[in-house]
Amino acid sequence: DVKVTQSSRYLVKRTGEKVFLECVQDMDHENMFWYRQDPGLGLRLIYFSYDVKMKEKGDIPEGYSVSREKKERFSLILESASTNQTSMYLCASSNNYGYTFGSGTRLTVV
Amino acid sequence: AQKVTQAQTEISVVEKEDVTLDCVYETRDTTYYLFWYKQPPSGELVFLIRRNSFDEQNEISGRYSWNFQKSTSSFNFTITASQVVDSAVYFCALSGWLSSGSARQLTFGSGTQLTVLP
Repeated sequence: DVKVTQSSRYLVKRTGEKVFLECVQDMDHENMFWYRQDPGLGLRLIYFSYDVKMKEKGDIPEGYSVSREKKERFSLILESASTNQTSMYLCASSNNYGYTFGSGTRLTVV
Repeated sequence: AQKVTQAQTEISVVEKEDVTLDCVYETRDTTYYLFWYKQPPSGELVFLIRRNSFDEQNEISGRYSWNFQKSTSSFNFTITASQVVDSAVYFCALSGWLSSGSARQLTFGSGTQLTVLP
């Protein structure tokens, strides 16, 4: 069964902390994505990567960075967490035809 | 830039009623894909359908059906004889090429919360 795995289901962090959200896929997909989901706004693209060490900004990259050192792993980094980054974060991978999503990480910044 | 609009924020129906969820999209791509996803309260996104922009045939899968009309840029989703288990947030999404040409981006609508009452 193909999978996208997000390391944490729930996370609580303090304002100013550096936060790492990890995502691993086992489908050998070139493309990986990080989305943020907020009520009434749907899913908005933060960053994506189309190859190892390659990345492009999505619609709302401010306050975030990403890392893709290996094909199967795509990390989202909050350099200094703020309360407005409290949200559900969803990772996805794609072969430009189909998309597979992880179960999401609900991050709360206090 | 591409855009997906789901004008219905919330819909509430009684079990066994039919319900249609609307989706309108904008894109400059000539080749694109349209998707519907279901997100139950547990939070995971469940894939329902993918439609290629060249294929305008309507599709039926059990109680679900989809109406794709390229002329009006719409891809509507109908649930026939709704059930309580259909209660979820439903997202319409559009996959088109990024301006850089590096990959296809999936752009989501804001979602429709469907509540089916017993």
